[in-house]
Amino acid sequence: DADVTQTPRNRITKTGKRIMLECSQTKGHDRMYWYRQDPGLGLRLIYYSFDVKDINKGEISDGYSVSRQAQAKFSLSLESAIPNQTALYFCATSETSGGARETQYFGPGTRLLVL
Amino acid sequence: GQQVMQIPQYQHVQEGEDFTTYCNSSTTLSNIQWYKQRPGGHPVFLIQLVKSGEVKKQKRLTFQFGEAKKNSSLHITATQTTDVGTYFCAGKRQSGNTGKLIFGQGTTLQVKP
Repeated sequence: DADVTQTPRNRITKTGKRIMLECSQTKGHDRMYWYRQDPGLGLRLIYYSFDVKDINKGEISDGYSVSRQAQAKFSLSLESAIPNQTALYFCATSETSGGARETQYFGPGTRLLVL
Repeated sequence: GQQVMQIPQYQHVQEGEDFTTYCNSSTTLSNIQWYKQRPGGHPVFLIQLVKSGEVKKQKRLTFQFGEAKKNSSLHITATQTTDVGTYFCAGKRQSGNTGKLIFGQGTTLQVKP
């Protein structure tokens, strides 16, 4: 959805570098998520935030940190990138809990290569 | 922790053949969602199932939620080349509800014209 944007779309970096992936949404949703996608492993949750003051670790948070700067912005940082963090990263949003409001809307993804 | 297993990982079919992907959870789910990701694209929501034994249809796609709310399936009748992509199920745990979705590994469908 154009309502969820991610920058950059592609990034090549070197081992040990700090990088930030940014996500913005205009859907007015409270909930935001960061996933990584690897072949054969599906989508794995890194961090999620249910509102500006709420940050939670997902199943694979080690080596990552996040910041929820505003309702519309949720950034993912790799403090010291390593090659096994090479993956496709998706940001997603959802409205809240209950019924159709749990539908997740994904951004276009950021393809990250760590050399 | 909770796992959602999806099989098969890959499926190649001839155009016009049927296709089914299966999703199984280790715990009871409150609901299950299905997403489709076209090659080079991002996951897009298809449908949500909530009730035990629920069946929903979208044109050639039929979605089922098991009676025990631990499994689900997506069946495509008479596949077309436009069906190509990866299909993900995503379940929400019923107990201790944290609001998170747990995604299956996905089934990648290739359709030969």
